Amino acid sequence: AQTVTQSQPEMSVQEAETVTLSCTYDTSESNYYLFWYKQPPSRQMILVIRQEAYKQQNATENRFSVNFQKAAKSFSLKISDSQLGDTAMYFCASNTGNQFYFGTGTSLTVIP
Amino acid sequence: EAGVAQSPRYKIIEKRQSVAFWCNPISGHATLYWYQQILGQGPKLLIQFQNNGVVDDSQLPKDRFSAERLKGVDSTLKIQPAKLEDSAVYLCASSPLLESYNEQFFGPGTRLTVL
Repeated sequence: AQTVTQSQPEMSVQEAETVTLSCTYDTSESNYYLFWYKQPPSRQMILVIRQEAYKQQNATENRFSVNFQKAAKSFSLKISDSQLGDTAMYFCASNTGNQFYFGTGTSLTVIP
Repeated sequence: EAGVAQSPRYKIIEKRQSVAFWCNPISGHATLYWYQQILGQGPKLLIQFQNNGVVDDSQLPKDRFSAERLKGVDSTLKIQPAKLEDSAVYLCASSPLLESYNEQFFGPGTRLTVL
């Protein structure tokens, strides 16, 4: 079975600053996919960014980027120019062979 | 495009009672997932359907939980009888195809409280 670990239960960042959320995973598979999902307060979970394990280039989506270290099994999310709307729970997830595993989440608060 | 719909949004029941949740995925999405999200934890996959067939239900407590997707569209998740530890948010998600890279689209969830 895969495991996904998020070691930061809570984080905060000043508006317009940069913050990095950590995630490590464990899998014996060679091909897999990694995701960051955002769950705003009382709102639905939405995809932030995804990374294919066989691609060395780190994925980027506007202000969101990842630092994918395959050998270290690390998949961190960097949020640049943080905005108040980024306040949410962030879940790291892995998918291998259609088995989805989520981490326990990091609660991010953007401070005005 | 309409999102994933779930009902009810909230449900409070006594232990040992039965409860059912309903999910309507995004039109045309072949794959449907049910997750259990206990407070303070990440979602845990309970069951995954491809059209009306079960792809994986290895984490579904089959002695009390059941799910079906009869016509490959809507799905229901049932708990009978409920236990205190079943208190959680039950999330339904759908995706277009059964591919590992596919984004899952989540519904708003049903918050279940078992007293």
